[in-house]
Amino acid sequence: GNSVTQMEGPVTLSEEAFLTINCTYTATGYPSLFWYVQYPGEGLQLLLKATKADDKGSNKGFEATYRKETTSFHLEKGSVQVSDSAVYFCALSPTTLIPGGAQKLVFGQGTRLTINP
Amino acid sequence: DARVTQTPRHKVTEMGQEVTMRCQPILGHNTVFWYRQTMMQGLELLAYFRNRAPLDDSGMPKDRFSAEMPDATLATLKIQPSEPRDSAVYFCASGLVGQGGGNQPQHFGDGTRLSIL
Repeated sequence: GNSVTQMEGPVTLSEEAFLTINCTYTATGYPSLFWYVQYPGEGLQLLLKATKADDKGSNKGFEATYRKETTSFHLEKGSVQVSDSAVYFCALSPTTLIPGGAQKLVFGQGTRLTINP
Repeated sequence: DARVTQTPRHKVTEMGQEVTMRCQPILGHNTVFWYRQTMMQGLELLAYFRNRAPLDDSGMPKDRFSAEMPDATLATLKIQPSEPRDSAVYFCASGLVGQGGGNQPQHFGDGTRLSIL
């Protein structure tokens, strides 16, 4: 079946540190991959996405590259800020051959990130 | 920016009471999802609809939960009777899927925080 495994949290870093949150997946075919971010008291927001192998998604200084050979989609940021403190979710959307077919997302368990000043 | 709107934001009630949560998807979106988030289980997909028709509700306890879309602008999730183990944050998300299927991102509401005493 389809599954997503994320780096266990919580993760605590100092401001301006380099961030990596690991994400690996299991899926048949060619899923699309996503990172969502959840700030306290809010819903999930799409951070970035990649729809095919070797694509790099980027937004707000965050990047992730779709690596089919290692089935990974690790999230990185070169210099984190206190405002990046949130929970980060890796997710995949399975390939569907059915026109108008399922758009279900499979989520990882989430990684809580805290950035200290 | 268009947003998914959920009401109420918070609900506290006693065990055995009926609970109704409402969601207004983004105008023009044809797919609506209901998720439940808890510390122990993370994000769980309960049900989803395409063009107001239920596509999958296998994640939902059938004996007490029901989900409907009376019209394109309103989705409801009901619990009757409610139990303490239903305490969680319930999220609605909406998205647009075309004839070719496609792996498009979902847009989330801010959730309903439900506490059953």
